[in-house]
Amino acid sequence: EPEVTQTPSHQVTQMGQEVILRCVPISNHLYFYWYRQILGQKVEFLVSFYNNEISEKSEIFDDQFSVERPDGSNFTLKIRSTKLEDSAMYFCASRGDRVGGYTFGSGTRLTVV
Amino acid sequence: AQKVTQAQTEISVVEKEDVTLDCVYETRDTTYYLFWYKQPPSGELVFLIRRNSFDEQNEISGRYSWNFQKSTSSFNFTITASQVVDSAVYFCALSTYNQGGKLIFGQGTELSVKP
Repeated sequence: EPEVTQTPSHQVTQMGQEVILRCVPISNHLYFYWYRQILGQKVEFLVSFYNNEISEKSEIFDDQFSVERPDGSNFTLKIRSTKLEDSAMYFCASRGDRVGGYTFGSGTRLTVV
Repeated sequence: AQKVTQAQTEISVVEKEDVTLDCVYETRDTTYYLFWYKQPPSGELVFLIRRNSFDEQNEISGRYSWNFQKSTSSFNFTITASQVVDSAVYFCALSTYNQGGKLIFGQGTELSVKP
């Protein structure tokens, strides 16, 4: 069964550093998403991406965040200057169309120290 | 505005008991999709079910069943004869066609099944 792959599974970074979280969505999917889950809390939408541009973003997704699909296979989330409160599990998801099911990756646990 | 409410924060049952996890949603869209996900201690999100707003038929899959009632905006999940392996956090989620497909999650219900 096709999978969404996220790397790394766990990343530790110092406050103020830039991090890039990587995702390889399912190859024929068209819609891509990033979600965040702070420990013990609910899963929150960050951003959706379609046709090589952001289609929607949440209030959380401020200027410190950016997304890219640089080569048609990877889908990355960049946090420019990490803060302690960015520590969370980040999930990537993809879907084939606007009504199809989502496939989630296993997540990247980001720890900012 | 879209919203999902899971009023039960934690539920604890003894193995073999039946348990129902409640989910209430809010949306003004007529076309929407409801989901349940399981999040075991390992952290991944495991898809359980998707339901569209035009299909109110209840569904059963093994020990799992779902009751969708548009009249009360609820999409409840029942586990029959619970097992220790069912211990996890369960999330109900909503997506609407007009919102570009983002998922809106409830707060989650942590289910603990004791032997």
